[in-house]
Amino acid sequence: EAGVVQSPRYKIIEKKQPVAFWCNPISGHNTLYWYLQNLGQGPELLIRYENEEAVDDSQLPKDRFSAERLKGVDSTLKIQPAELGDSAVYLCASSRTPPGLASDTQYFGPGTRLTVL
Amino acid sequence: AQSVTQPDIHITVSEGASLELRCNYSYGATPYLFWYVQSPGQGLQLLLKYFSGDTLVQGIKGFEAEFKRSQSSFNLRKPSVHWSDAAEYFCAVGLNYGGATNKLIFGTGTLLAVQP
Repeated sequence: EAGVVQSPRYKIIEKKQPVAFWCNPISGHNTLYWYLQNLGQGPELLIRYENEEAVDDSQLPKDRFSAERLKGVDSTLKIQPAELGDSAVYLCASSRTPPGLASDTQYFGPGTRLTVL
Repeated sequence: AQSVTQPDIHITVSEGASLELRCNYSYGATPYLFWYVQSPGQGLQLLLKYFSGDTLVQGIKGFEAEFKRSQSSFNLRKPSVHWSDAAEYFCAVGLNYGGATNKLIFGTGTLLAVQP
């Protein structure tokens, strides 16, 4: 079974430029998460999708960050414009959440390392 | 507020020695607890998890962890460390929303170095 796929793995941009990250979850996983991991820190949740619906985006900085999961499968996270402080690793994870039951374990992709110059 | 504390930022052990990584959590309800490992340039790999039942849980790669409610701890152990265990280890608590554990709160991680 293929794991969570993310691309690109690395991205270097200048500040004020836009950037997008792509994630394809494990097949059959209806819940998808985007996390931000700063250097020397644990991941922090940005947004969680159940199918197409963003059910928890309370930590997403909506002035510059946006995300979508139009068909309930793959997802894109965008930053526009990027700032120096956005340099970090952006992790995608997925899990299976049966209706009305506890979510299964989250499985993580390799992440996208963003450097903003 | 919910939180996870990993008191040791960096630990160095000799290959073959035993290992214990500490994790303490703050959460009002029964927690779901996880240990993940992250190798350089890689995503997080699940080592083990505790949802309920036996408080001593076995994971992959010879790791185990023990849930101690009285101490709010979930320490990770391995009896004999291998050089390939060098990585960063993250403890996480899954918030229990009516049976769903959709939000993970991570600690800051412990970086493990293994000496030959």
